[in-house]
Amino acid sequence: AQSVTQLGSHVSVSEGALVLLRCNYSSSVPPYLFWYVQYPNQGLQLLLKYTSAATLVKGINGFEAEFKKSETSFHLTKPSAHMSDAAEYFCAVSTYNFNKFYFGSGTKLNVKP
Amino acid sequence: EPEVTQTPSHQVTQMGQEVILRCVPISNHLYFYWYRQILGQKVEFLVSFYNNEISEKSEIFDDQFSVERPDGSNFTLKIRSTKLEDSAMYFCASSDQGNTEAFFGQGTRLTVV
Repeated sequence: AQSVTQLGSHVSVSEGALVLLRCNYSSSVPPYLFWYVQYPNQGLQLLLKYTSAATLVKGINGFEAEFKKSETSFHLTKPSAHMSDAAEYFCAVSTYNFNKFYFGSGTKLNVKP
Repeated sequence: EPEVTQTPSHQVTQMGQEVILRCVPISNHLYFYWYRQILGQKVEFLVSFYNNEISEKSEIFDDQFSVERPDGSNFTLKIRSTKLEDSAMYFCASSDQGNTEAFFGQGTRLTVV
């Protein structure tokens, strides 16, 4: 079975500060991992994905995530937060056949000026 | 850029009524999904559809729900006899033959009153 846990339903950072959003997964098979972003009143947009290639994955808008099998983690980071990064971020796990995605409960990122 | 489109963006319906949520997946995609997000909760898998049949469904997807691909472009979710607890954002998604990423629509916000 697959599941995702996102620590922290709300994270607040200052503009220019490091963004770190945590995601831990549970999977009985090698996982494929994703981060999606949801801006207010919009759909889910893919930020980045890990599909068993490089463990450090770079995505859009300066975000990246590192797959750490030993820690069963896939934390999302960005060196310097921008006001436009304020949104809700969802971590998701899928299996090799991508038949469905399991989402975490989401983390709302607030960026303070 | 190709995108998944959903209509309507908002739907208000009376309890007990039937609703049909419509989705136009990306044209060359073969896998189709419905997810829902109850306000303040995580995105939940409802159903996946491939080769004109349901490939997997969750326990949420009971006899009240049905999906259909009535023509070559639309993918619909029908909810019969809606209940208050069906109020949620419903997301359609599709993925291609390689099935390495799900593209999500903007969602339909369903409010049952």
